[in-house]
Amino acid sequence: GAVVSQHPSWVICKSGTSVKIECRSLDFQATTMFWYRQFPKQSLMLMATSNEGSKATYEQGVEKDKFLINHASLTLSTLTVTSAHPEDSSFYICSAGGGLRETQYFGPGTRLLVL
Amino acid sequence: RKEVEQDPGPFNVPEGATVAFNCTYSNSASQSFFWYRQDCRKEPKLLMSVYSSGNEDGRFTAQLNRASQYISLLIRDSKLSDSATYLCVVNLRDAGKSTFGDGTTLTVKP
Repeated sequence: GAVVSQHPSWVICKSGTSVKIECRSLDFQATTMFWYRQFPKQSLMLMATSNEGSKATYEQGVEKDKFLINHASLTLSTLTVTSAHPEDSSFYICSAGGGLRETQYFGPGTRLLVL
Repeated sequence: RKEVEQDPGPFNVPEGATVAFNCTYSNSASQSFFWYRQDCRKEPKLLMSVYSSGNEDGRFTAQLNRASQYISLLIRDSKLSDSATYLCVVNLRDAGKSTFGDGTTLTVKP
């Protein structure tokens, strides 16, 4: 299957810090990537759909000014958590594919802990 | 009502047992269906796609019932390594995104 990488895998930061997470599709071009968040013992919740060359589409309840998404190339999407607070601590996972490709390939995830 | 609902679990079974999970979806326009497996503190990984005709991959069998709007996953001869959370995923093709169930946790014990 396709390979999707994420960086960093772990982030521990102070409250108020902005954190940038990268998602890369390593062996295919992804016009669409997805960003999910997963709290302990809960399901993946879609935060936004990242579209190459255009604005991201955010799910209801997700603040676009707090979770900045940039999909500048066909292999890279970034999620920036601005002014992170402890309640933003979570497991953030990106995926590529879906849509016409249908099968989604997930990155390994980034664990964010905001102190 | 959630768009995708799964058996709440957890399922605790002995090695060698057969276990079945069900998943129901509410949107009749759903186009494609998958089972993913997620190990603790890891990302989900595709287990298998689900087709109307049913499909089998070794010990795993997935089936789709469009009329009743549910999909199922059957695991035969359970192994310890099958212990994980199994996620039911439903795609609306036009929406270009997936909806995940909350997952069913399986623990296979010696």
